[in-house]
This record gives sequence, C-alpha cells and structure tokens, in this order.
Amino acid sequence: DMKVTQMPRYLIKRMGENVLLECGQDMSHETMYWYRQDPGLGLQLIYISYDVDSNSEGDIPKGYRVSRKKREHFSLILDSAKTNQTSVYFCASSFGGANTGQLYFGEGSKLTVL
Amino acid sequence: AQKVTQTQTSISVMEKTTVTMDCVYETQDSSYFLFWYKQTASGEIVFLIRQDSYKKENATVGHYSLNFQKPKSSIGLIITATQIEDSAVYFCAMREGGGGADRLTFGKGTQLIIQP
Repeated sequence: DMKVTQMPRYLIKRMGENVLLECGQDMSHETMYWYRQDPGLGLQLIYISYDVDSNSEGDIPKGYRVSRKKREHFSLILDSAKTNQTSVYFCASSFGGANTGQLYFGEGSKLTVL
Repeated sequence: AQKVTQTQTSISVMEKTTVTMDCVYETQDSSYFLFWYKQTASGEIVFLIRQDSYKKENATVGHYSLNFQKPKSSIGLIITATQIEDSAVYFCAMREGGGGADRLTFGKGTQLIIQP
C-alpha cells in the first residue's frame, strides 16, 4: 500500500518522562529516517538507519536514540524528555541506491513536553 | 558539508499564473541529487520532482518543472497554471553522491499562497 505509519500522532509528556515514537513502513525500504520540524527551521535529521541494527547519527542526535530490530519498523526514543524537544517528528523511508532521496514520509507525531 | 538555502520565505500569486521558487545549494561533490518536496496544510509531506546533477535536461513532472543552473548551484522549481491546491510549503533538498551517505539536507522552505 506504500505507506509510512507513525504512532502516536499526538503526545503530551512531562519533563523527565520517557517518550517512544514508533514508525512502520510496508515497502521493505532499506533506509529509514527520523526528522524533527520546528517553525522556521525546516526539517532537521536526527537519525538515519540503513537497515536492521545499522543506525547512524544525523545532524541533531543529542537527547535521542533509535532502535531498528525489523526492517519495517524504526523507533525514536527520548530518555527523560526536555521542554526543548517539543516538536513535530517525522519518520520517512526510502529505497537505497539510486533512488535514495525520494522519501516517503509519515504523517508526523506532534510531541509536547511540559 | 552540504547546505541548502531557500531565501524566499513566502510567495503569493494569482491562480492560473506561473511561479518560480528559488533554491541554491553548496556541495563539494561532483555528483549530487536535488529534490523538491511539498508540505500541505495538513502536514503531509510528499516528493514532487528530482534532478540528478549529471543530467543536463531539466526534469518535468506534470505542471512542475525545474530550472537547473549548475554553474550557479541553483535549482528553481517552476509551477505552471497554478491551482488553489498548490498552496503549500515547498522544500528543496539535496543528497550528495558517494556510498553510504544517504543523507538528505533540506532548506527551510518557501510558503506558496495561491490567490483565487
């Protein structure tokens, strides 16, 4: 069905709580991404995963970690969330090789940290 | 390090006209790939069109086309016969060539408003 699904879509947490954002894709894409989007800043890359257990830091990895145990599933974890992690988080996936860069995005997860 | 710059924060045009959105990039690589994405008011982000640096011909998909000026490190998005539903934020992005990179760097976006 060529879809990237993010859960939950909306989340409110208190500072210091742990956060788990989950992402699934049904296209057997090798590469998956987590971005965050803040007003006026565009999309900033947090982590990139090239396949199962093959993850690499993006441009703003501090305060985040990821897990990819199955090709179709990629999680973003915030241990002890901070108020400046309030943002909209987007998961994306793509084929590797020549088609890398043509990303399929999820609908986003809006996280508010109080 | 690669960098993508969109200087136009917001553009407003009348329906059925043609609009161009600018994007300039910086890269040390001789091989790279350029993309445009559209984000609608609902937040959905979709891929529109791509240009591979080694291709001289400008890419065209439907009423989207690109103005690739390699000497100026510029990749403009042209939308012809604009429609109300083209109102959105448009992001330019670049991926450098080279194995294992796979990183896509985005510009900050241009908001396009189509007036009826």
